[in-house]
Amino acid sequence: QLQLQESGPGLVKPSETLSLTCTVSGGSISSSSYYWGWIRQPPGKGLEWIGSIYYRGSTYFNPSLNSRVTISVDTSKNQLSLNLRSVTAADTAVYYCASHNSGHDTDSFDVWGQGTMVTVSS
Amino acid sequence: SSELTQDPAVSVALGQTVRITCQGDSLRTYYASWYQQKPGEAPVLVIYGKNNRPSGIPDRFSGSSSGNTGSLTITGAQAEDEADYYCNSRDSSGKHVVFGGGTKLTVL
Repeated sequence: QLQLQESGPGLVKPSETLSLTCTVSGGSISSSSYYWGWIRQPPGKGLEWIGSIYYRGSTYFNPSLNSRVTISVDTSKNQLSLNLRSVTAADTAVYYCASHNSGHDTDSFDVWGQGTMVTVSS
Repeated sequence: SSELTQDPAVSVALGQTVRITCQGDSLRTYYASWYQQKPGEAPVLVIYGKNNRPSGIPDRFSGSSSGNTGSLTITGAQAEDEADYYCNSRDSSGKHVVFGGGTKLTVL
C-alpha cells in the first residue's frame, strides 16, 4: 500500500528557502504510473497545487509560483523534494505531497501524505 | 480567484441526496476529480475521471459532468460525510492543475 510522508522544518524565516522532503513507501517513485505532486493549504483556506514531477525529471508548476519553485526526485532514496525560495508570511501553510495520476482527460491526486505545517516568521 | 468555482457551503438532511457542483470552462474538456477533507486531516480522493471511485469509497458517492459543470452526488448522506469537498481539474490552458475553492457540507 502506497504511503507518503512529508518532513522538514516547521519554521522558516522570511526571504529564506523552504525545503521539504517526501518519502514514498509501499511503491516505487520510478513507477511509470504516476507523477508526484506538492499541494499546500494555508490555514483556514483551500487547496493550492504547487507543482508536479515525473520520475524522469519533467516538471510543471503553478504559474503563480513558477519563478520560486524547484521540485526534484531522488530515485535512489524514493523521495521527492520541494524548494520554495524567498518565502513570505503568505507561504505559511500545510504542505502535502501526493501521487498524481495525470491522464488525458483527468488529473487526480490518489494518495496523500499527512501534511506538514510550515510557518514563515522571523 | 480559482478557475473552478464551487458553492462555499451546502447542507443536506441526514439520509437525503445532495449534489455539490464545480464550474469552469476546462470542465468542457476535462473531468473533475473530487476530494473529501475532514478537519485536521489530509484530503481523500473520492471520485476521479468520468465516475470512478477508489477502493474503499462508499458507492453513495458518484460523479457526473454536463457542459462546464462537474458534480459530486452523495445519495443518502451520512453524518460522517460532513466535511469540506474540493474539486480539481486543469486550467483553461489545459497545462496546469487547479483546485476549486471548496464546499463545506453540513449534514443536518
